[in-house]
Amino acid sequence: GAGVSQSPSNKVTEKGKDVELRCDPISGHTALYWYRQSLGQGLEFLIYFQGNSAPDKSGLPSDRFSAERTGGSVSTLTIQRTQQEDSAVYLCASSLARTGGREKLFFGSGTQLSVL
Amino acid sequence: EDQVTQSPEALRLQEGESSSLNCSYTVSGLRGLFWYRQDPGKGPEFLFTLYSAGEEKEKERLKATLTKKESFLHITAPKPEDSATYLCAVQADSSASKIIFGSGTRLSIRP
Repeated sequence: GAGVSQSPSNKVTEKGKDVELRCDPISGHTALYWYRQSLGQGLEFLIYFQGNSAPDKSGLPSDRFSAERTGGSVSTLTIQRTQQEDSAVYLCASSLARTGGREKLFFGSGTQLSVL
Repeated sequence: EDQVTQSPEALRLQEGESSSLNCSYTVSGLRGLFWYRQDPGKGPEFLFTLYSAGEEKEKERLKATLTKKESFLHITAPKPEDSATYLCAVQADSSASKIIFGSGTRLSIRP
């Protein structure tokens, strides 16, 4: 596709359920980022992938959060036993940058997660 | 700890009224500073990258400048379509894989 694609665009779940959020980056982009944006706030870094490896997981808030990337392309962010404080927009971005590179990020439109 | 602080949180201007947005940063070695624009319900869209103090970049009514401690996004004679949230982000030498964003400035331009 032409841009970064995220699905679903909206997800409503009950507290305690697990959710999976998907990101399809731009073809050929080796770097992939996940960010979380709470209402009216800036972007909170979660995790960075270079290829299929995640050299920086320092932003994951707890062990309920995990992410993987396969084939150097699609990434899935999984939140187990969701809590109300997990409600936010989850944004994915990709870039051509190798580790330490300064290429710009291309963002998807995000997944709005609401935990009831 | 690397930090990015943006001010003001919100800014309302009349169409044609020029102003500046501020981004102050604290990093151990700046690799790059980025400006993004975010419209409601969408992901951020890239505007500029600045690499070293003294550098300037321009695009239409926007000009970004960089010093050793802060960056400014100057908007000249803004139009209503410039209304958006403007986000600043930094990439540090010490943690080059992590790009840290500020909380943004919500800019509203009244016709």
